[in-house]
Amino acid sequence: NAGVTQTPKFRILKIGQSMTLQCTQDMNHNYMYWYRQDPGMGLKLIYYSVGAGITDKGEVPNGYNVSRSTTEDFPLRLELAAPSQTSVYFCASSSSSGGADTQYFGPGTRLTVL
Amino acid sequence: AQSVAQPEDQVNVAEGNPLTVKCTYSVSGNPYLFWYVQYPNRGLQFLLKYITGDNLVKGSYGFEAEFNKSQTSFHLKKPSALVSDSALYFCAVSLWPHRGSTLGRLYFGRGTQLTVWP
Repeated sequence: NAGVTQTPKFRILKIGQSMTLQCTQDMNHNYMYWYRQDPGMGLKLIYYSVGAGITDKGEVPNGYNVSRSTTEDFPLRLELAAPSQTSVYFCASSSSSGGADTQYFGPGTRLTVL
Repeated sequence: AQSVAQPEDQVNVAEGNPLTVKCTYSVSGNPYLFWYVQYPNRGLQFLLKYITGDNLVKGSYGFEAEFNKSQTSFHLKKPSALVSDSALYFCAVSLWPHRGSTLGRLYFGRGTQLTVWP
């Protein structure tokens, strides 16, 4: 049982390039989330999904897009990368949206935009 | 608006001594409270959570936390610290999804770096 996996682990992008961060979970969780973690800050929610085909914006969605075609996968797309998107990105999943449910996190993707 | 405060950026403690990492919260409603730990270059690992019932919650690796509603606090504690406890600790709060929202989203504090020295 791998839990939540993310690829790549590290990436350097040039300004204006695009890329997709991959996230897969094998726990059959309906709810999936993308967060970013900036130095000295807590995690902020970018996008979330409540099931295949359903996504919605979080606190900081600008510059990102998501899709959810299967229960397992929740890729995050960066279009026209900017230095402000330099951050560590974490994907998470939970079995439901009830506030009591634990979210399980992947190992993260460290992205640098130069 | 919901918010979480971790008033100490760093906590330093000697191995074998008790440790406390502080967390206070501000929410409009009843909170669910979580502690996560992050080791270098790793994702967040769940430690413990308070949902309801006993105010003292026990979690992984000997950690515990006490929910104090009157002080709106949820401090993380351990009776005897280990060097291997050195990590970044995050407090987070969520609410039961309320009208107009279907997501029990997590609000995180900024994190507290715990260093346990031998």
